[in-house]
Amino acid sequence: GAGVSQSPSNKVTEKGKDVELRCDPISGHTALYWYRQRLGQGLEFLIYFQGNSAPDKSGLPSDRFSAERTGESVSTLTIQRTQQEDSAVYLCASSLKVSNYGYTFGSGTRLTVV
Amino acid sequence: AQTVTQSQPEMSVQEAETVTLSCTYDTSESDYYLFWYKQPPSRQMILVIRQEAYKQQNATENRFSVNFQKAAKSFSLKISDSQLGDAAMYFCASMEYGNKLVFGAGTILRVKS
Repeated sequence: GAGVSQSPSNKVTEKGKDVELRCDPISGHTALYWYRQRLGQGLEFLIYFQGNSAPDKSGLPSDRFSAERTGESVSTLTIQRTQQEDSAVYLCASSLKVSNYGYTFGSGTRLTVV
Repeated sequence: AQTVTQSQPEMSVQEAETVTLSCTYDTSESDYYLFWYKQPPSRQMILVIRQEAYKQQNATENRFSVNFQKAAKSFSLKISDSQLGDAAMYFCASMEYGNKLVFGAGTILRVKS
């Protein structure tokens, strides 16, 4: 696609439920990143996929968080047993394999855990 | 590890005036890149300007320019002739070659008419 697409745009869930957030990167972009942005704060790195290499999961805050990517296309971020502190905007970005030109970001999914 | 610090949580500027947003960073690498991103209320992160650390010349994009002080590890953003559409959250970020972007905490810029 022309840009990075994320869905849903907004998600409200009850504490303890599982949620799945989807990211569809720009076609041809082999690198895909997930970031978390809490209200009024900066972006925290979560996970990074690069082609067929093992993902860099060093930013995942707990084992309730996981992500998958199918080849070089869609990625899903899953949060199990959601907690109120998981409320945030989850941003996805993609880039060419080795891109020192920055990333193209999606508009994010705002997750609210009630 | 890379770190990026933005010490100004919020800044204000009068329309048509100039404002400078501050950023300092730390890295042990010699090959790295620096960025400023703009995030309006739409949440879309928009790349404003990019600087390659090995280039001494400061990057410029229309009304946006940077003051890159490599020895001081400082990377400030100057916005000239500020417009209402410049109001947003601005993030400074660094990237070591082949690594991931690391962001500062952001600065909210308000533009007064």
